Amino acid sequence: DIQMTQSPSSVSASVGDRVTITCRASQSINRWLAWYQQKPGEAPKLLIYAASRLQSGVVSRFSGSGSGTDFTLTISSLQPEDFATYFCQQANSLPWTFGQGTKVEIK
Amino acid sequence: EVQLVQSGAEVKKPGESLKISCQGSGYNFTTYWIAWFRQMPGKGLEWMGVTSPGDSETRYSPSFQGQVTISADKTTSTAYLQWSSLETSDRAMYYCARPRSCNSDSCWWFFDVWGRGTLVTVAS
Repeated sequence: DIQMTQSPSSVSASVGDRVTITCRASQSINRWLAWYQQKPGEAPKLLIYAASRLQSGVVSRFSGSGSGTDFTLTISSLQPEDFATYFCQQANSLPWTFGQGTKVEIK
Repeated sequence: EVQLVQSGAEVKKPGESLKISCQGSGYNFTTYWIAWFRQMPGKGLEWMGVTSPGDSETRYSPSFQGQVTISADKTTSTAYLQWSSLETSDRAMYYCARPRSCNSDSCWWFFDVWGRGTLVTVAS
């Protein structure tokens, strides 16, 4: 199985801050990576797919980059509604696997 | 509107069987595979398996192979996740989800449509 390792596991930030979350795959996954946002009591929401493509309806302050084994999700200017947990997911090979999550908390 | 509607919360005892459902609407149900995910309390997401409603092809994560059965009924646009004998460790939220796009050959396995989840509680 491909292991996905996210860092940090949590980050404390203020509204307006730039936040960067990284995800590392245990082997190359090309650009077969997605990022999801999950708020308490809600289902995950797809933000970014194919490493850098913004899902329809997602605000442009979210962006993704990377290929191979190293990927980044950036929130350019953190808004109150962005406080949530973020997961990466590899879609390169079965079984699809997720990172352990990064919780973005209010500073 | 494209949506997946999951069945309601369940409370079961160890050893009991259970079948939860996920009904799709607003799109051609047979065109898209349906995947199931587990999220244990306070934990991350785990992919369990995926089924093609069109031809009933199903693939399982090795972690869940033999533990659950995934199926779909294209006549009712409903996918199912079932257990023959629940354990307390099966207590979790279970989500169904649809890949972002599928064609006749494959899908882009990024999941953009999710059900709201079915909470399964197993306790004696």
